[in-house]
Amino acid sequence: DGGITQSPKYLFRKEGQNVTLSCEQNLNHDAMYWYRQDPGQGLRLIYYSQIVNDFQKGDIAEGYSVSREKKESFPLTVTSAQKNPTAFYLCASSMASGSLEQFFGPGTRLTVL
Amino acid sequence: QKEVEQDPGPLSVPEGAIVSLNCTYSNSAFQYFMWYRQYSRKGPELLMYTYSSGNKEDGRFTAQVDKSSKYISLFIRDSQPSDSATYLCAMFAQGAQKLVFGQGTRLTINP
Repeated sequence: DGGITQSPKYLFRKEGQNVTLSCEQNLNHDAMYWYRQDPGQGLRLIYYSQIVNDFQKGDIAEGYSVSREKKESFPLTVTSAQKNPTAFYLCASSMASGSLEQFFGPGTRLTVL
Repeated sequence: QKEVEQDPGPLSVPEGAIVSLNCTYSNSAFQYFMWYRQYSRKGPELLMYTYSSGNKEDGRFTAQVDKSSKYISLFIRDSQPSDSATYLCAMFAQGAQKLVFGQGTRLTINP
């Protein structure tokens, strides 16, 4: 059963803590993306990766970091430097970075207490 | 000014009504225009896409692009409660590496 999984579904953290969100895909896609979704603001791109061991900053990369050591995995770390981290985080993948269709995971809701 | 503008709503209509969802954009390089549907607490999924200007129909859904006005629309005929979701437009320029999304419109179809 091919798709994208994100874990956990809900995550709570205290201010000042780093936290890592997991994203795994078994679609054999080269490109992967991280978006942040806030009410009334749509999807904003945090980071994207076109291929293993390579990634680029998106529109709102400050306070976030990623790695792409394996084709199927693209974890996102929300650092303590991110000023307003409470949001819904979505991971997506596509066959290549120029592909029109992106496949999304179910998302992780992060709440900072 | 954002590259893509979409009224976030919310929009509430009775079952059976025709729904019109719209986006405007400023970047004339956009050539591919997509509509994604997102149910509550889920990830978005691609509904349909069009290339350049014109119409595309898929069942009860029609996507329309007017490049001269930089305006795209999604029409839903005979709307059903199961169409209740957030609809996001997205755009892509040839040679680009990322989609640009609108804010999303939250739609509710009332039985």
